[in-house]
Amino acid sequence: AQSVTQLDSQVPVFEEAPVELRCNYSSSVSVYLFWYVQYPNQGLQLLLKYLSGSTLVKGINGFEAEFNKSQTSFHLRKPSVHISDTAEYFCAVSDGGYNKLIFGAGTRLAVHP
Amino acid sequence: ETGVTQSPTHLIKTRGQQVTLRCSSQSGHNTVSWYQQALGQGPQFIFQYYREEENGRGNFPPRFSGLQFPNYSSELNVNALELDDSALYLCASRDTGGGTEAFFGQGTRLTVV
Repeated sequence: AQSVTQLDSQVPVFEEAPVELRCNYSSSVSVYLFWYVQYPNQGLQLLLKYLSGSTLVKGINGFEAEFNKSQTSFHLRKPSVHISDTAEYFCAVSDGGYNKLIFGAGTRLAVHP
Repeated sequence: ETGVTQSPTHLIKTRGQQVTLRCSSQSGHNTVSWYQQALGQGPQFIFQYYREEENGRGNFPPRFSGLQFPNYSSELNVNALELDDSALYLCASRDTGGGTEAFFGQGTRLTVV
């Protein structure tokens, strides 16, 4: 069975500092990987996705992630965060079957001035 | 703006009652999925409909049921509500399978008292 582990439940960081949100997955088959962001009282917005090809994926709002098959990781990074990046971030995996998304528990990113 | 709308945005029901949540997908999206997001957790897959037929289900009891209509709208029905059903319910639509982006609505916050 597939699963996703987000290693940090909360990440506090100062504005303009770099940040990395960690995600590990387990799966016996090829997977698609996603990062979603959820702002308070809103649904989920896709930041980026890995389907195949280059292991470095660039997304919206300056975020990027690197797929590492040997370490089964898909960590999210941003070189300089803004106050507006404060939100909940979810890593998700799909096996491409009927494409249900399996989400991690989420990482709360809190950007402080 | 994802083009996926859910109604109502908030709802309070009593234990034992029945509830219907609604979702209007993006035009042309023939697949809709429903997720339950309990407080402080990641979304959990309930089920998915493709061209008005259920084609995938998560670990939820039969009192969770759904419908998808030809006009790109769908419903989630929950019978015999329990306190643990209190959660944010999200619908997501996509146009095909295979890892394409799922567009999420803003969710319906259900509180069972």
